[in-house]
Amino acid sequence: SQTIHQWPATLVQPVGSPLSLECTVEGTSNPNLYWYRQAAGRGLQLLFYSVGIGQISSEVPQNLSASRPQDRQFILSSKKLLLSDSGFYLCASGQKGNQPQHFGDGTRLSIL
Amino acid sequence: QKEVEQNSGPLSVPEGAIASLNCTYSDRVSQSFFWYRQYSGKSPELIMSIYSNGDKEDGRFTAQLNKASQYVSLLIRDSQPSDSATYLCAVLSYGKLTFGQGTILTVHP
Repeated sequence: SQTIHQWPATLVQPVGSPLSLECTVEGTSNPNLYWYRQAAGRGLQLLFYSVGIGQISSEVPQNLSASRPQDRQFILSSKKLLLSDSGFYLCASGQKGNQPQHFGDGTRLSIL
Repeated sequence: QKEVEQNSGPLSVPEGAIASLNCTYSDRVSQSFFWYRQYSGKSPELIMSIYSNGDKEDGRFTAQLNKASQYVSLLIRDSQPSDSATYLCAVLSYGKLTFGQGTILTVHP
């Protein structure tokens, strides 16, 4: 079965600082990869998804970007964080087809 | 816009009772349906998948799907305090999951 690693678990950043969150997947190959954000007490918002290396689709216009430099590596970045970027960031992986997604443990990001 | 709606709750049931969680979806071409459990401060955990009309049972959990009515439900039998969590309904269409807002379930002793 696949394992999804996310780090760090918790991050506190000042407004205007850059961001890099990394997600790596083990136990599978050529997965679909996803970044979600969950604001406090809210549902999951899909930010980006990728069906392969270098292929990124953005769901919500914002100051975030994503990259997939390797098959099982997915990175979420920002050049300048906003207060509204605070939230719980989750990486997910799923096999092609009608298969469910599985989530990493998430990164809780607080912007000060 | 694809939507997934869940009864907002919170839902409170006594220990040993049946908890019933409901979900409706708007996209008729949706292909797969999932229930996730999310404990406070943790990431969602897949607990049930269902792909065809009818019931699917796994231990104390039963998922029910009615594509004609665009309705999915989750029944938890013999509810335990450890079942207290937020339950997320998710619908898969063309490789993308759409999540409901979640129903908070509290099982009290």
